[in-house]
Amino acid sequence: EVSLVQSGAEIKKPGESLKILCECSGYSFAHFWIAWVRQVPGKGLEWMGIIFPDDSDTRYSPSFEGQVTILVDKSTSTASLQFVSLRDSDSAMYYCARLGDDYTPPDFWGQGTLVTVAS
Amino acid sequence: QSVLTQPPSASGTPGQTVTISCSGSSSNIGSNNIYWYQQFPGKAPKRLIYRINQRPSGVPDRFSGSKSGTSASLAISGLRSEDEADYFCAAWDDSLSGVVFGGGTKVTVL
Repeated sequence: EVSLVQSGAEIKKPGESLKILCECSGYSFAHFWIAWVRQVPGKGLEWMGIIFPDDSDTRYSPSFEGQVTILVDKSTSTASLQFVSLRDSDSAMYYCARLGDDYTPPDFWGQGTLVTVAS
Repeated sequence: QSVLTQPPSASGTPGQTVTISCSGSSSNIGSNNIYWYQQFPGKAPKRLIYRINQRPSGVPDRFSGSKSGTSASLAISGLRSEDEADYFCAAWDDSLSGVVFGGGTKVTVL
């Protein structure tokens, strides 16, 4: 059974760093793209970027390029989303999701990680 | 502003059919498959329809999808109270090399 399990909710201050983890299981991790999606409470879904674990080919949405870093660790089948210096506007729910075959939207999602940034 | 355009809300009484539209362009819906997701408050999105009109195992056949040109639709027939949720469309975008989403439609069962 395909499963994506994310790390728990975070409360951070502006300027702090953060890494959100997404542990994947139940399929061949290396061969499916992983996406990160942001959802501000009450708002829509925003694609942040994708990574192909086998070769770490990474593509960012123009809206998030330079703001976050997406990485994978094939040894632990884990993807991560990193923030270097958080801002209040980074407060949101973040989802990891597995893309389907042939560049298609996600078929499986993590449970989400709520990030709150406040001084 | 979402790349795909959906109405913010839709409603119907139990048993009715509600249709949600999703408008895009030639680089996304026009050339790729459309997906639909259902999301309840505080929960992750769940895939409802894939490849325009395919339902994953466990999704009732009351949910159906269609596509014409650069637009797509999700129809919920025999509307039930448990269908009250947010619905999002999504497609791969060849220009962005990524996934684009609609802004979501909140369905209310009156």
